[in-house]
Amino acid sequence: GAGVSQSPRYKVAKRGQDVALRCDPISGHVSLFWYQQALGQGPEFLTYFQNEAQLDKSGLPSDRFFAERPEGSVSTLKIQRTQQEDSAVYLCASRDTSYTGELFFGEGSRLTVL
Amino acid sequence: GIQVEQSPPDLILQEGANSTLRCNFSDSVNNLQWFHQNPWGQLINLFYIPSGTKQNGRLSATTVATERYSLLYISSSQTTDSGVYFCAVGTQGGSEKLVFGKGTKLTVNP
Repeated sequence: GAGVSQSPRYKVAKRGQDVALRCDPISGHVSLFWYQQALGQGPEFLTYFQNEAQLDKSGLPSDRFFAERPEGSVSTLKIQRTQQEDSAVYLCASRDTSYTGELFFGEGSRLTVL
Repeated sequence: GIQVEQSPPDLILQEGANSTLRCNFSDSVNNLQWFHQNPWGQLINLFYIPSGTKQNGRLSATTVATERYSLLYISSSQTTDSGVYFCAVGTQGGSEKLVFGKGTKLTVNP
């Protein structure tokens, strides 16, 4: 497909489990972003990659959150020892430029931690 | 960091009515986008508009960067326009991330 693809679309985890969320950006897009959206709120920035380099991880809420993009395309957001407050929609977005420009979002991965 | 305020937070319209959504931001921006989040959660790009005016069908947007606001106009609203509208801005430097407002929830009744 031509858009940003995320998987799984839905994930239910028991508290304490580790989860991994995948993002396939639009082919050729240099920049990749992860956002977290709690119910009824706007998306909040988590982290940013330019190719394989993670240039900004200031939004990651704790050291249980880890993101990687080893080959500069697909990215994985990993959450260790999930907590109930991690329940949210995780959105991935990509952009074809390093700097400003239009950002395109995927459909998101909805995580529910029981 | 930059603050983004959207108004009104909620808006209820009858089908066919027009509306204006506002986005104020606290600093200079080099990126501004309007999104519509549909009931399935997908963020649909409406406009990439760091400055100037654009139109797309019944929707149009204007950003006055020097006065730090943007407006989204919806004319002849339809029930399918319902959802949450987000304004998001980016500032120069750093990762050029977008900072989102809290959104305007629009309900269009038949």
